[in-house]
Amino acid sequence: DAGITQSPRHKVTETGTPVTLRCHQTENHRYMYWYRQDPGHGLRLIHYSYGVKDTDKGEVSDGYSVSRSKTEDFLLTLESATSSQTSVYFCAISEGVEQPQHFGDGTRLSIL
Amino acid sequence: RKEVEQDPGPFNVPEGATVAFNCTYSNSASQSFFWYRQDCRKEPKLLMSVYSSGNEDGRFTAQLNRASQYISLLIRDSKLSDSATYLCVVGPMDSNYQLIWGAGTKLIIKP
Repeated sequence: DAGITQSPRHKVTETGTPVTLRCHQTENHRYMYWYRQDPGHGLRLIHYSYGVKDTDKGEVSDGYSVSRSKTEDFLLTLESATSSQTSVYFCAISEGVEQPQHFGDGTRLSIL
Repeated sequence: RKEVEQDPGPFNVPEGATVAFNCTYSNSASQSFFWYRQDCRKEPKLLMSVYSSGNEDGRFTAQLNRASQYISLLIRDSKLSDSATYLCVVGPMDSNYQLIWGAGTKLIIKP
């Protein structure tokens, strides 16, 4: 399995609090992605990174920010969490934009 | 119309049967195609890439039909362990040239 670690695995927090999710890889892949998965929807891209300090928005980026200061780490921040951001968040990595992506175990986030 | 569409199922299939899924996509310029499987409360895992000439991996066969813009997955001699949700992935196609994911087809293999 690809060396991808997400933390935390589970988190419950209150509306309005900041939340940061971390994705760490040991594969030295250039691309890293944050998705959310909700019932009835496919995986939806939040943000992605194509290199250190190089990031771009995905389909559902509103309310989220990201940072990538090192190749191996990609952080997802919810500045002020809302209940609509309750979801399962997956980090993925790939060698290239057309290459298959490999996923971390996911983070289950509940915003009360 | 969704960019990538799959029948959500569930498909209830007896063990040992053959089952086929189709996935349609809207952008004729798409170049990459994959099938993933996802077990309940787990991460998606790559099952196989789909090549223009079609490809096979054991009991699994993937086909691409560019003219009709769909990909298919065939599972022969289905096992109980094949029960999962199967995700179709197509790309690059959007303005960010990222993969687009179908919502998945749920497969339940019954003994």
